[in-house]
Amino acid sequence: EAGVAQSPRYKIIEKRQSVAFWCNPISGHATLYWYQQILGQGPKLLIQFQNNGVVDDSQLPKDRFSAERLKGVDSTLKIQPAKLEDSAVYLCASSLPGGTKENEQFFGPGTRLTVL
Amino acid sequence: QKEVEQNSGPLSVPEGAIASLNCTYSDRVSQSFFWYRQYSGKSPELIMSIYSNGDKEDGRFTAQLNKASQYVSLLIRDSQPSDSATYLCAVKDNYGQNFVFGPGTRLSVLP
Repeated sequence: EAGVAQSPRYKIIEKRQSVAFWCNPISGHATLYWYQQILGQGPKLLIQFQNNGVVDDSQLPKDRFSAERLKGVDSTLKIQPAKLEDSAVYLCASSLPGGTKENEQFFGPGTRLTVL
Repeated sequence: QKEVEQNSGPLSVPEGAIASLNCTYSDRVSQSFFWYRQYSGKSPELIMSIYSNGDKEDGRFTAQLNKASQYVSLLIRDSQPSDSATYLCAVKDNYGQNFVFGPGTRLSVLP
């Protein structure tokens, strides 16, 4: 079974530029998460999708971050414009819906973003 | 604001010893608790989940949960150098949908 795919793996941009990250979850996983992990900290949930609907985006900085999951499969996270403090690893995770299986999140390799 | 706290470490133990990792959480309605292992430069992987008070064992790992004290721990028996990683505690309630991760404890197992 293929795991969660993410691209790019690394990205370096200057502040005020835009950047987009892509995630393809495990086949059949209806729930998809985007996390931000700053060096030395635990992952922080940015947004959670169930199929193509948003379940929780309370910690997404909506003035600069946006995410979509068209057709309930792939997802894209965008930052526009980027700030220095956005430098982090952006992790995508997916899980099956419902019951305890919903709690078993599988993470992708992440995208390391550096904002100069 | 839900909070999950862990000692950042590093926690150093000799090979073959028991490593004990601790986590406290602030939200009393939390119902689901998880331990993830994260190797340097890699993404987190789930190693244990626990939902009821008491102990849950899986191989060399034992998770312990005490909801009254809002405390969850992870014991690693017969620690190996390959266990050296950051261990993340995560908590989820049944009302919200989101997970809250702690900052992680860095474990170093010395050969």
